Amino acid sequence: RKEVEQDPGPFNVPEGATVAFNCTYSNSASQSFFWYRQDCRKEPKLLMSVYSSGNEDGRFTAQLNRASQYISLLIRDSKLSDSATYLCVVKGSGGYNKLIFGAGTRLAVHP
Amino acid sequence: ETGVTQTPRHLVMGMTNKKSLKCEQHLGHNAMYWYKQSAKKPLELMFVYNFKEQTENNSVPSRFSPECPNSSHLFLHLHTLQPEDSALYLCASSQPIKLEQGANSYEQYFGPGTRLTVT
Repeated sequence: RKEVEQDPGPFNVPEGATVAFNCTYSNSASQSFFWYRQDCRKEPKLLMSVYSSGNEDGRFTAQLNRASQYISLLIRDSKLSDSATYLCVVKGSGGYNKLIFGAGTRLAVHP
Repeated sequence: ETGVTQTPRHLVMGMTNKKSLKCEQHLGHNAMYWYKQSAKKPLELMFVYNFKEQTENNSVPSRFSPECPNSSHLFLHLHTLQPEDSALYLCASSQPIKLEQGANSYEQYFGPGTRLTVT
């Protein structure tokens, strides 16, 4: 089983739509969780951290369910500029710098 | 110069060549990383350096040899590579940031990568 699993997509949605991505992780001792965004042929960049209580940043909402080992990202009112690959990232329990990346979910927002 | 820079941005090398990738961070971080990203695969962590000391070697073949002369610079020396080593090689750096009580996060800042082709 992969340490971090995501639906690769692509998710093709019209502008203005709401879209949700899910991610599961295998290590129940994982400590911190993130969503990174990677544009085509560019480097990954941190989109947002995922807190235990859930958190929102503008149109983006992240949720964590530790019992189910599940992380989600909700994007409301999608923009063309949201088209990218969204990487689910988990920090392991050992080794304070080690991040485990999912393969990513591709989102394509069309007019 | 800001953030994390990598040179060269593109590299084509033969299997018998020796080349080096360079990474430099201008963020004052104390940890640096090499990742490999192949098509349709997750980022694979290769090496981690903390305060110039290698703290992680993720079972990387010896044809990849990292070097970290100081906290701002990281190199990846390449020799006798195979065609399957063709990929995007990304460097990253980080600094511990405590976001909430009992938890720590270490946002990693990535360089633009070196796209390597082994012929």
